[in-house]
Amino acid sequence: EAQVTQNPRYLITVTGKKLTVTCSQNMNHEYMSWYRQDPGLGLRQIYYSMNVEVTDKGDVPEGYKVSRKEKRNFPLILESPSPNQTSLYFCASSLAGSDTQYFGPGTRLTVL
Amino acid sequence: DQQVKQNSPSLSVQEGRISILNCDYTNSMFDYFLWYKKYPAEGPTFLISISSIKDKNEDGRFTVFLNKSAKHLSLHIVPSQPGDSAVYFCAALPNAGNNRKLIWGLGTSLAVNP
Repeated sequence: EAQVTQNPRYLITVTGKKLTVTCSQNMNHEYMSWYRQDPGLGLRQIYYSMNVEVTDKGDVPEGYKVSRKEKRNFPLILESPSPNQTSLYFCASSLAGSDTQYFGPGTRLTVL
Repeated sequence: DQQVKQNSPSLSVQEGRISILNCDYTNSMFDYFLWYKKYPAEGPTFLISISSIKDKNEDGRFTVFLNKSAKHLSLHIVPSQPGDSAVYFCAALPNAGNNRKLIWGLGTSLAVNP
């Protein structure tokens, strides 16, 4: 089954404790992206990747890192999480040149 | 400032009737528009899209209309079914750059009542 998976689905952590949210897709998509969704602000792009080893900042990259060592995986790293990173996070992927992005189920992160 | 606006946070319709969800945008550089549907605890799911060179696209019960002069698009669902109850997001893609970054509206929660 073609899908985008994210882990964990739910996470409660404390300020400053490094964490990684994994994202994996099995559709051989070149393009991958991370979004966060917040009330009243909608979905905003954090980082994106056009292909392996090619990543760039989206609209709200502060406090986040990403890597793209393999085509299928695009982890989101929070080196020192803060409460303002409490949010719902979505990973998405698409074929290069396609306008349709496929989304993972989301990761709800709470930073205390 | 929101470049894609969905001014109705919620909509309630009777089963079998038409649901009309509206979306306005401000950026004339958008060249592709998409509607996504989202159920609780799931990610957005692509529903239907339309290129800026068209004014209508139809897929089964779902039709999207685009009025470029008014910078307005709408999603029609006919007939509405209880399983259509979800949050619907309008999203737009700019025609510049390689980053296919979706610009999202805040969503409209549709409730279809049996």
